[in-house]
This record gives sequence, structure tokens and C-alpha cells, in this order.
Amino acid sequence: DTEVTQTPKHLVMGMTNKKSLKCEQHMGHRAMYWYKQKAKKPPELMFVYSYEKLSINESVPSRFSPECPNSSLLNLHLHALQPEDSALYLCASSRTGNSNQPQHFGDGTRLSIL
Amino acid sequence: DAKTTQPNSMESNEEEPVHLPCNHSTISGTDYIHWYRQLPSQGPEYVIHGLTSNVNNRMASLAIAEDRKSSTLILHRATLRDAAVYYCILRDILGSARQLTFGSGTQLTVLP
Repeated sequence: DTEVTQTPKHLVMGMTNKKSLKCEQHMGHRAMYWYKQKAKKPPELMFVYSYEKLSINESVPSRFSPECPNSSLLNLHLHALQPEDSALYLCASSRTGNSNQPQHFGDGTRLSIL
Repeated sequence: DAKTTQPNSMESNEEEPVHLPCNHSTISGTDYIHWYRQLPSQGPEYVIHGLTSNVNNRMASLAIAEDRKSSTLILHRATLRDAAVYYCILRDILGSARQLTFGSGTQLTVLP
């Protein structure tokens, strides 16, 4: 069990669908992150939110749209995805964006694009 | 973040100590050494971090070489639950980047 909760755990969608991934933490953390992890590869950063503002976008295609409605929630809106977007999507949080603070990860959403 | 080099895989026997090495020859004076691990079907989990001195916590110990160009994560008594991919990561305390840049990590297999 982790303190970062991601829903759903699994998602299968077609290329024309619109869906959202959700992430929630109640540790009072003010930095939140989205990572993408392909099979047998390490996680790769997609987005960083600091104090509910987007601070880093690692050149992610616009078919991925992040949203941080408040300090506890982080969403990733998906639209017109491609089969190569199938991966494990991980959410993480840290107390602040200070690089010396540990990040706490959820267990991810496993996304399959048909 | 500077690069790290780790063996692709290691094996250990259950209840024996495990020493996981990491080389970081280009480490800067403001880089902290962080270790995370990822168990099967789970997200990464923070293990330990340090700057210059050796560090201990309930999960593991971190031994840092005097020149800081290498470090070793020590699991004192491996259990089957410790089978995971272990990532050694350098994070610059003064850098503007706040992400973790994962290397390829070491896959630890624990044999019963």
C-alpha cells in the first residue's frame, strides 16, 4: 500500500477515446509528478507541478494534458492516443520541489491502447 | 543530473547481506546520492540518500567512498521481498531540475 493513490489501476482504450488518469495524496505535499514507464525500462519524467502550477513539461505530446485542480489531486487527460503510448503511468509527490526530498510513488495505472 | 553506472543484475541468497554497487565518477560537490527500488508490479520506493557520510535507516545502509565517485547500498539480511530493481540516482541540491533521472538500475534476485 502506498500513500499516493492512482485510479484506475488498469485502463484499456481505443485511439479515439478520451479518458483521464487520477492521482491523489493527502500528505500535504506541494510537488506532484507524472512519469511514464515502458516495459523493462526505467521511469521517464513527463510533467512536474509545484504549488499547483506546471513547472516542467518534458516535451510531451499534446495528446497528454495534465491538470492539478488542488494540492492533493493530479489528473492526466488522454485523447487520441497511439499504440506506442501503452505503458505504466506513475504519479509521485514530494513535500516541496526541493531535489533533496524523497518522492513518494503510487503503483501506477497500466494503460493499453488498442 | 550526472550519470551513474550499475551492474545489470545481481543474485543473493536469502538472509545474507547484499552489497549493490554504483559508480558516479562525474559526481559534483552538490550532488546527493539517492537510492530507490521498484518491486514487481509496484511504483518506485525511496530507500535512502546521503551526501558524504555513511547513512543508515531501517531499510538499508549507504556507504559512500571517500572521493564520492562510488557508493554501495547494503541490505543487511536479504529477504525474498527485497527482490527488485534498485536505482542509484544523483540529484543536484542546487539544480533547478526537480525530477528523478533514473538509470537502468540493478535487478536483484534473492534465492531461497
